Amino acid sequence: AQSVAQPEDQVNVAEGNPLTVKCTYSVSGNPYLFWYVQYPNRGLQFLLKYITGDNLVKGSYGFEAEFNKSQTSFHLKKPSALVSDSALYFCAVRGGDMRFGAGTRLTVKP
Amino acid sequence: GAGVSQTPSNKVTEKGKYVELRCDPISGHTALYWYRQSLGQGPEFLIYFQGTGAADDSGLPNDRFFAVRPEGSVSTLKIQRTERGDSAVYLCASSLTLAANTGELFFGEGSRLTVL
Repeated sequence: AQSVAQPEDQVNVAEGNPLTVKCTYSVSGNPYLFWYVQYPNRGLQFLLKYITGDNLVKGSYGFEAEFNKSQTSFHLKKPSALVSDSALYFCAVRGGDMRFGAGTRLTVKP
Repeated sequence: GAGVSQTPSNKVTEKGKYVELRCDPISGHTALYWYRQSLGQGPEFLIYFQGTGAADDSGLPNDRFFAVRPEGSVSTLKIQRTERGDSAVYLCASSLTLAANTGELFFGEGSRLTVL
């Protein structure tokens, strides 16, 4: 069975500081990993994905994620956080379907 | 439209009633997915279709839940004898069918179901 875990329910950072939202995965075979963002009362928006190739993946809105096979992690990062980045972030793993983590609420304070 | 469309956006019903939720995927997307999301939680997989057939319905919680996609496009999620615990946002997503399932899912805005 494929699954992802997000160990932090909440992450707080100050605007302008770097942010990291953590995700670890458990898969059999090649991992296909995704990050989504959800704003209040909205559907999920795709940010980026790792399929193969470079371990550092760049996505929308200045976000990037680092795939680490030895640590089975796929952490989401941004060098300089904005207040508008405040939202719910979900890590996911794809097989036939897609399975999501429980989510991490990111709050960026001015 | 260009995106995944879900109707109704909000549905309030009484316990025991029957409910249908509709999803119109992005044109050309052969795969369609239903998820359920409770407040403060991640999306919970229910079922996904490849064309007209259900490829995996292992997430349907019980036999009160059923979904169809008769022509391989629009899908309807049907809930019989609704219970208060069914209250949630029901999300639909679609994707292209790429080799080795590497494509991202595109989500609709969801249908918020409230069972009184």
